[in-house]
Amino acid sequence: AQTVTQSQPEMSVQEAETVTLSCTYDTSENNYYLFWYKQPPSRQMILVIRQEAYKQQNATENRFSVNFQKAAKSFSLKISDSQLGDTAMYFCAFMRSSGTYKYIFGTGTRLKVLA
Amino acid sequence: GAVVSQHPSRVICKSGTSVKIECRSLDFQATTMFWYRQFPKQSLMLMATSNEGSKATYEQGVEKDKFLINHASLTLSTLTVTSAHPEDSSFYICSAFPLPDRGLEAFFGQGTRLTVV
Repeated sequence: AQTVTQSQPEMSVQEAETVTLSCTYDTSENNYYLFWYKQPPSRQMILVIRQEAYKQQNATENRFSVNFQKAAKSFSLKISDSQLGDTAMYFCAFMRSSGTYKYIFGTGTRLKVLA
Repeated sequence: GAVVSQHPSRVICKSGTSVKIECRSLDFQATTMFWYRQFPKQSLMLMATSNEGSKATYEQGVEKDKFLINHASLTLSTLTVTSAHPEDSSFYICSAFPLPDRGLEAFFGQGTRLTVV
């Protein structure tokens, strides 16, 4: 069975600084998808970034980028130029490339951006 | 992006009554929807997979008779919490994927905060 681990329950960062959230996962699959979701205080889940395991190039979306290390089963999220609006819970998620569209979520990291 | 609407956003019910939560995909069809439960400051726990036109698939430990799921159309899934008790109080979230492209993001409803008194 797949598992997703986020080892940092809480983190804080100064506005405009850079922060990295870690995520590791365990799977025997070769093809899969990885995601980072943000859940602000409104509790609406918002996709931040996704990565296909077959792609070696790390995904980037504006200030958000990932460091995907397939062999190490690591998928960290880097937020550059942190903004107050980035304050939220961040969940790492895994989805197999076959079978059901089921997400497996990590336990989450609560990020607070300080003014 | 695609929109998933969940209703109601908040509901308070008396212990022993039933409450229905709706999840609608507004601009796409979804043969499969997912229902999650989230306790305060915790992650999303998958409860069940809702399949259009067939029975839902429940995760281990989730009581199918307490959490009734109906997916009668390609745009609507409902979760009914039957004979609710205070321990059922939680935040419930649904999600769906616009098919047929696997790997696209899941779109989530805004969630329902259920309080059983």
